[in-house]
Amino acid sequence: GAGVSQSPRYKVAKRGQDVALRCDPISGHVSLFWYQQALGQGPEFLTYFQNEAQLDKSGLPSDRFFAERPEGSVSTLKIQRTQQEDSAVYLCASSTGVSGGSTDTQYFGPGTRLTVL
Amino acid sequence: AQSVTQPDIHITVSEGASLELRCNYSYGATPYLFWYVQSPGQGLQLLLKYFSGDTLVQGIKGFEAEFKRSQSSFNLRKPSVHWSDAAEYFCAVGRLNQGGKLIFGQGTELSVKP
Repeated sequence: GAGVSQSPRYKVAKRGQDVALRCDPISGHVSLFWYQQALGQGPEFLTYFQNEAQLDKSGLPSDRFFAERPEGSVSTLKIQRTQQEDSAVYLCASSTGVSGGSTDTQYFGPGTRLTVL
Repeated sequence: AQSVTQPDIHITVSEGASLELRCNYSYGATPYLFWYVQSPGQGLQLLLKYFSGDTLVQGIKGFEAEFKRSQSSFNLRKPSVHWSDAAEYFCAVGRLNQGGKLIFGQGTELSVKP
C-alpha cells in the first residue's frame, strides 16, 4: 500500500518568504509527527497530532512555525518569514496510534528538503 | 532529560565482516528503544524495537540488538555485512505517555568496502 508522502520534495525559499510543507500519512493512521533534520544530525521532534488534535508542540523552535491537521488526515507545516537556520529536511511520520503511540512503529516519508537563501 | 548518544560518527567495514553500532541512552525508567536506517533520498525505516521482555531483539535484514540496562546501551549488530547495508543508522528512544515522541541520536554512517 501507499506509504507516507510529502510534498514538495525540494523547496528553495528566499529569506523572509513563507513556506508550506504537506504530509499525507498512511490512510487510517491516527498519529502524525513532524521532525526536523539538519545536515549531519539526527531528526529532532517538532510536533505531534492525534487525529486533528495537536497534543505536543514542544519542539517547534519559534512562533514562526505552525502545524495543522484540520481533518485528522493531511497535515501542513508552515514556516513564516523563513531564516537561513530553517534550512533542513523536514520529515513527517505516521503511526496507527493504537497503543497510545509510545510503542507504535512510525512510518516516515521521504522528507522535504528546504533551502533558505 | 532523555538523550541518545551514538559515539561513532562514521564506521567502515569490509563486506562479509561483522558489525556493531553503539548506542547509549540516558533515561531514568525503562525506555522504549528503536533503531532506524536511512538510505540516501529515502525515509527512515524501522529495523527493530525494544519495549520489554527478552533483551535480545531480532529485526529485519538480519539485524539484532541487545538491551543492557546496566550499561544503558542498545547496540545494533549484524554477523555479516552486505554492500547494500551502507546507509545512516539512527538509534532513538521514546517513553511511556509521550505519544510516540522520539529522541534520536546523531547517527552513524556505515560504509562497506568490497
